Amino acid sequence: QVQLQQWGAGLLKPSDTLSLTCAVYGGSFSGYYWSWIRQPPGKGLEWIGEITHSGSTDYNPSLKSRVSISVDTSKNQFSLKLSSVTAADTAVYYCARVVRMLGFLQWRTYGLDVWGQGTTVTVSS
Amino acid sequence: AIQMTQSPSSLSASVGDRVTITCRASQGIRNDLGWYQQKPGKAPKLLIYAASSLQSGVPSRFSGSGSGTDFTLTISSLQPEDFATYYCLQEYIYPRTFGPGTKVDIK
Repeated sequence: QVQLQQWGAGLLKPSDTLSLTCAVYGGSFSGYYWSWIRQPPGKGLEWIGEITHSGSTDYNPSLKSRVSISVDTSKNQFSLKLSSVTAADTAVYYCARVVRMLGFLQWRTYGLDVWGQGTTVTVSS
Repeated sequence: AIQMTQSPSSLSASVGDRVTITCRASQGIRNDLGWYQQKPGKAPKLLIYAASSLQSGVPSRFSGSGSGTDFTLTISSLQPEDFATYYCLQEYIYPRTFGPGTKVDIK
């Protein structure tokens, strides 16, 4: 049974850098992509970005100048960094596994099938 | 970025009711759409992928349909554990975008 376990600092000051890590237990790391999603209090889900097992990334343009996702295949972990945080970055942050399969002539995404437990990050002075 | 809308934003229903939630994309996304269920304080759970494929372990009362811009999630007979918020997610193009969610509560 694959599990994602995430951790990181929960209380930050404005202008700090948010740093979270997600570890993958019990399953393949290289066969999937990996994603970060966040949810501000009382609001909907926002896709932050995604990384392949080889380190290629895609980011939400609204965060692109501040966000970085990296991968450590030796530890089966991937990480999120978000710089210059403000109160607007207060949210629950989730990591998730992205299922990718070869469809008709191209690779396609077939859902985010395993999620971490979520980490509440509060930005406050 | 592709904009996703959902309707209704909320609904009240009774156990046993048939419930339908609609998701619309601002441009065609083939069938690259997933449906997720989220309960308070919990991570989202994948219900449907590729618009109509049931995720392993998900009850068969959940079904999805649609292609292009218009998609539907149907719960054939609402159960007490189905009261939650439901989100669609387009997986066709980056950046991925979620719908705003549909909250299903008890009538």
